[in-house]
Amino acid sequence: KAGVTQTPRYLIKTRGQQVTLSCSPISGHRSVSWYQQTPGQGLQFLFEYFSETQRNKGNFPGRFSGRQFSNSRSEMNVSTLELGDSALYLCASSLGWGMNYEQYFGPGTRLTVT
Amino acid sequence: TQLLEQSPQFLSIQEGENLTVYCNSSSVFSSLQWYRQEPGEGPVLLVTVVTGGEVKKLKRLTFQFGDARKDSSLHITAAQPGDTGLYLCAGASNAGKSTFGDGTTLTVKP
Repeated sequence: KAGVTQTPRYLIKTRGQQVTLSCSPISGHRSVSWYQQTPGQGLQFLFEYFSETQRNKGNFPGRFSGRQFSNSRSEMNVSTLELGDSALYLCASSLGWGMNYEQYFGPGTRLTVT
Repeated sequence: TQLLEQSPQFLSIQEGENLTVYCNSSSVFSSLQWYRQEPGEGPVLLVTVVTGGEVKKLKRLTFQFGDARKDSSLHITAAQPGDTGLYLCAGASNAGKSTFGDGTTLTVKP
């Protein structure tokens, strides 16, 4: 069974631009969660989608948004990029929503904002 | 906001030594997970503990969930260089939100 895939793996953007990251979950998994990982803040929860609906949201500004498609694939968008948005963005899939279902992480997208 | 504190933050040991990593909180979690992350990769789930006092073993790794479900520990026996990585604990609240600790970076020298 294929694992969680994320595209692209690496991305360089300029301040003020916007970016869209993609995540394809494990086949049969209907929940996708997004996390931001930085050396200073660690791994922080962005949001979780299940059946195309956002089920949980972390404490991030509205510049961070996401969506999920009917095939469970998910995209995350960050608008008006700031230098502090440079991070590893991780997506995780699970069978159901909520942390009581085991999460399987993708390799991440490394975003650098210059 | 539920916080998870991991200690130590960094650990460097020789091959063959034993070690324990701690994950503590003032909040109660419905479950707690441990992950290991290697550079350039996403975290890989090692174990999920659900019941207070639960102990799970995975080869040389022993995981324990505190009786009050507020803390957990990971003990590695006879560490090997392949155990090197970032160890993360993550707690789940009844609301389904997840909280990750800051991680323990383990280096095992041959």
